[in-house]
Amino acid sequence: EDKVVQSPLSLVVHEGDTVTLNCSYEVTNFRSLLWYKQEKKAPTFLFMLTSSGIEKKSGRLSSILDKKELSSILNITATQTGDSAIYLCVVGRDDKIIFGKGTRLHILP
Amino acid sequence: DTGVSQNPRHKITKRGQNVTFRCDPISEHNRLYWYRQTLGQGPEFLTYFQNEAQLEKSRLLSDRFSAERPKGSFSTLEIQRTEQGDSAMYLCASSFGNQPQHFGDGTRLSIL
Repeated sequence: EDKVVQSPLSLVVHEGDTVTLNCSYEVTNFRSLLWYKQEKKAPTFLFMLTSSGIEKKSGRLSSILDKKELSSILNITATQTGDSAIYLCVVGRDDKIIFGKGTRLHILP
Repeated sequence: DTGVSQNPRHKITKRGQNVTFRCDPISEHNRLYWYRQTLGQGPEFLTYFQNEAQLEKSRLLSDRFSAERPKGSFSTLEIQRTEQGDSAMYLCASSFGNQPQHFGDGTRLSIL
């Protein structure tokens, strides 16, 4: 059965810290790995990764995929209180996507 | 607003009643997805349409659930004879092909 596992499930850090969120997957017919940020409502798209070893970066956020290890990490540097959210790792296969349970990140001021 | 739109935002109903939710996707998107999300969990896939064809249904979608996308544009999700366990956020997303999905703000269903 396809699965996407995220760790940690919950993380509390102080503003300014750097965090690394992990995602591992076992999915047949892997097509892509995506990261979403979910605050109070709809998940919002962050990154889509299809190639191993190529880092994608947006401001203080970056992510990389390792197809050999079947995993990805999402890094957030110099965290801010606005980064508090659930970060969802999603793996796309064929016509559907499979969500991990998410990492709940809380940034203390 | 050209994003994914869901209505209503919140639905409160008594157990045993039927409810229907609507999703209007981004207009050029040919794929439409329904998910259910409970507190503390990631969204769980329910069903997906490509244009008007319903191509996959999760085993989570019991026979009390039905979804339609009659003209390949908006979609409805109906739950008949609601149960307490149906209380959740129901999310709709759309995409063009395998591009990243864009999510609506969801319909929160509360069963009394």
